[in-house]
Amino acid sequence: DTAVSQTPKYLVTQMGNDKSIKCEQNLGHDTMYWYKQDSKKFLKIMFSYNNKELIINETVPNRFSPKSPDKAHLNLHINSLELGDSAVYFCASSHGSGAFFGQGTRLTVV
Amino acid sequence: SQQGEEDPQALSIQEGENATMNCSYKTSINNLQWYRQNSGRGLVHLILIRSNEREKHSGRLRVTLDTSKKSSSLLITASRAADTASYFCATVSMNRDDKIIFGKGTRLHILP
Repeated sequence: DTAVSQTPKYLVTQMGNDKSIKCEQNLGHDTMYWYKQDSKKFLKIMFSYNNKELIINETVPNRFSPKSPDKAHLNLHINSLELGDSAVYFCASSHGSGAFFGQGTRLTVV
Repeated sequence: SQQGEEDPQALSIQEGENATMNCSYKTSINNLQWYRQNSGRGLVHLILIRSNEREKHSGRLRVTLDTSKKSSSLLITASRAADTASYFCATVSMNRDDKIIFGKGTRLHILP
C-alpha cells in the first residue's frame, strides 16, 4: 500500500495546454502539500490544504490551482502551461510529525 | 521562500567514515526535520527534533539543535554506499501554520 501516491509519474506536454496531477494519501492525515522542485533541486512549497481548507497559498501564478475533493486527495491543476513550469512536482501529507512524500511527477513542457 | 541553508552543498567521504551536515535557519521554529532524497525519488522523512530538544538519535543518525544559534546538524555514522543521497533540513515555524520549509540540501556521496 503506497502511503502517498501521485499520478502521472511523467508528463510531457506542449506549451499552452492544461494539465492535472493527482494525489491521494491513505494515511488519514489532515494536511496535504504541493511542492515544486526545480533543476537545482530547490524545493519550494506551493500549496497546503488542511481539512480541505487552503491555509497557505504561496506566491505562485494563478494558473496553478489546487483542488481537494476530499481529505484524502489534493490535485494540482495547471492552466496555460509555460516552459518555466518544467520541474518535478511533489505531493506530501503530514500529521504534524514529519511529512510523507509521493514519488513525484516530472513535468516537461515543450 | 527558503528557510534553511545546508552546509556543505556537497560532501564526498569514504565508506565507513562519519558524515556531518549542517543547517542554519532564520526564524523561530516549532520543530526541525531532516529528509533524504535518493536520485529520482521522493523525499523520505528521517528524524524530527522539537525546539525544546537538543539532541536526538535514530539508528546511525544523530541530530542536534541549537536554537540560540538557529542551527542543526545531522551526523551519519559508519557511512554506507546506500547513504549516497541528498539530505534536506526543513523547518516548521512557531506560528503552527503547518508550513514545512526546506533548505537547499547537501549532496552526499559515499565512495567505496
